[in-house]
Formats: sequence, C-alpha cells, structure tokens
Amino acid sequence: DAKTTQPPSMDCAEGRAANLPCNHSTISGNEYVYWYRQIHSQGPQYIIHGLKNNETNEMASLIITEDRKSSTLILPHATLRDTAVYYCIVRVMNNAGNMLTFGGGTRLMVKP
Amino acid sequence: EPEVTQTPSHQVTQMGQEVILRCVPISNHLYFYWYRQILGQKVEFLVSFYNNEISEKSEIFDDQFSVERPDGSNFTLKIRSTKLEDSAMYFCASSEGPSQPQHFGDGTRLSIL
Repeated sequence: DAKTTQPPSMDCAEGRAANLPCNHSTISGNEYVYWYRQIHSQGPQYIIHGLKNNETNEMASLIITEDRKSSTLILPHATLRDTAVYYCIVRVMNNAGNMLTFGGGTRLMVKP
Repeated sequence: EPEVTQTPSHQVTQMGQEVILRCVPISNHLYFYWYRQILGQKVEFLVSFYNNEISEKSEIFDDQFSVERPDGSNFTLKIRSTKLEDSAMYFCASSEGPSQPQHFGDGTRLSIL
C-alpha cells in the first residue's frame, strides 16, 4: 500500500470546520483513500472512503485532488467529541480481505 | 447500529500462559481481522480470515498465534504461550466484503505479568 503523510497534530475551535490534510503522492490507480479515527481508549472508527470523486456522508466530506496525490477530510462543524487521532490510509481493493496499514495519524484537538 | 463486540475488555495473564480473546463480528459480515496496538504505538495488522481460512497474515502473527471461528458467531484469537511483549490492545474487525469498510470493536487490553 502507498504511504501517507499527515501532520502530527491540529487544533480546531468547536463549531468550526476541521480540515485534515493527507498526502499520498505515490497512490496507485486501484488504491482507495480511507479515513478512520480513534477516540481515546476505543477501536478505530470508519469515517469515509473514496477513489477519485469527492464523497460526503453523515460524518464528514472527503475531497480528493484531481491528480489523487492528496486529500482533505472535512468535519463541517467540529464538536468536542471529534477530538481523536485521524488516520488517512490508502488501500488496494481486490478480492482479498486487505489489511489496513495505520500510520501515526493526525491528533485533532477540538477546543471550546 | 450493529457493532463488533469483544470480550473480555481487560485480560491479565501470567507469562507463558495461553490466552483466548473473543470477538463477535457483525452478523452479516464474512471477513474478519485482528489488529493490535502496543501502548503509545501504531495499530498493527495481525491476520485476516475468510471462509474458515487465513487469507493474509503479518510477520507478527507467528506460530504462537492462531485464529478460529468455532461457531457461526464467534471469532477468536489464541496466543499459546504469552510473552511480556504481547501486552497490547487487541482489536477485532469485520467487513461485509473484501472491499467494504472494516468495522472495529473496542478492543481487549491484554496485560502479561
């Protein structure tokens, strides 16, 4: 799987949008971009994934650049409960049960 | 919303003892996984399991580890002779298909004394 680069930490004011960047310049054509988060003492939680089009669900939006070398996860109105480590992962999609390779992620601190 | 459940939440075991960690994946999921996270470190993949077979495993998953789906609902990870360095959070995950998102349980904290 391609490697990703994320800033180690970010702060965001409560109620504001949190924009978390991820670089994946060596991504291959058959690799998806996945985002997970890990709230303290809990298991990783799936947020969203995409291939090349922008995606939105009830939790977040994912913006992938046209060249697919980077992406941004957007939490539109961050709350204190969004404080967590956010992981950007690129993953090959095939018929095997592919592993997820977690990096260090971005520690997002949402402040009142 | 359906979720992956893991038991126990905390397991304390003497070094050299066998331990079994239990997971109940989401009911319609067919792919199962174990990961671990040593305190302060990254989440690491151990093994994936489908159709009663291991489909992929990491270097961590050596002969001391085994997985089993003993019935239609449970998925277990066994460590035969635990070492101090096996102390970690162990997370079970499941997915509906090979390309579907993996959903994680809240983990079992394994402490080896």
